[in-house]
Amino acid sequence: SSELTQDPAVSVALGQTVRLTCQGDSLRSNYASWYQQKPGRAPVLVIYGKNNRPSGIPDRFSGSTSGDTTSLTITGAQAEDEADYYCNSRDSTGDIFVFGTGTKVTVL
Amino acid sequence: QLRLLESGPGLMKPSETLSLTCTVSGGSFSETHYYWAWIRQAPGKGLEWLGSCYYSGNTYYNPSLKSRVTISVDTSKNQISLNLKSVTAAETAVYYCARHEGVVFDFWGQGTLVTVSS
Repeated sequence: SSELTQDPAVSVALGQTVRLTCQGDSLRSNYASWYQQKPGRAPVLVIYGKNNRPSGIPDRFSGSTSGDTTSLTITGAQAEDEADYYCNSRDSTGDIFVFGTGTKVTVL
Repeated sequence: QLRLLESGPGLMKPSETLSLTCTVSGGSFSETHYYWAWIRQAPGKGLEWLGSCYYSGNTYYNPSLKSRVTISVDTSKNQISLNLKSVTAAETAVYYCARHEGVVFDFWGQGTLVTVSS
């Protein structure tokens, strides 16, 4: 079972802001990364480290961490942001990688 | 641009050994700092990390797979291989290979669907 917990689903109105959260004890000492996955496609890295975006990822995506929770914020959500989002980090032992349970984002 | 391409059997029977290959192109396979991983996703489910290897051959695995999994590299072919023994129907999934540095999995293959069915 995953040691990183995410809300199963969230919805956001077009152009509005949504924050996705990922909670786990290991996040107190490890950075997380965030991935966007559209149906039938491989995951795409959108945020990593403290708050870094790979080349090509729009600046409406941002990340933050507080305590045992890391967050991904989409500011001004677009229709193309509708997807599943996964966080990942190390487990509490630091020995293995774990992915969060995933959040399905619907843009209304 | 780095490209990863998985290949495998597609369909197999329970108790068989799954063998997959990931071919890396468009970049340095032996670049330091980067590991190469296998990750799977069962239909409608989340992502599960299976294990990782370094170009030198160092490997580490998800303990949940116990001794069934082996990951190896062939630097002459720029390939990473996955062997998973004694598969069950529950291991029907899309299998991805990916490059990572720490928790940053920055390049992924398109994935290959493996169906385990009798």
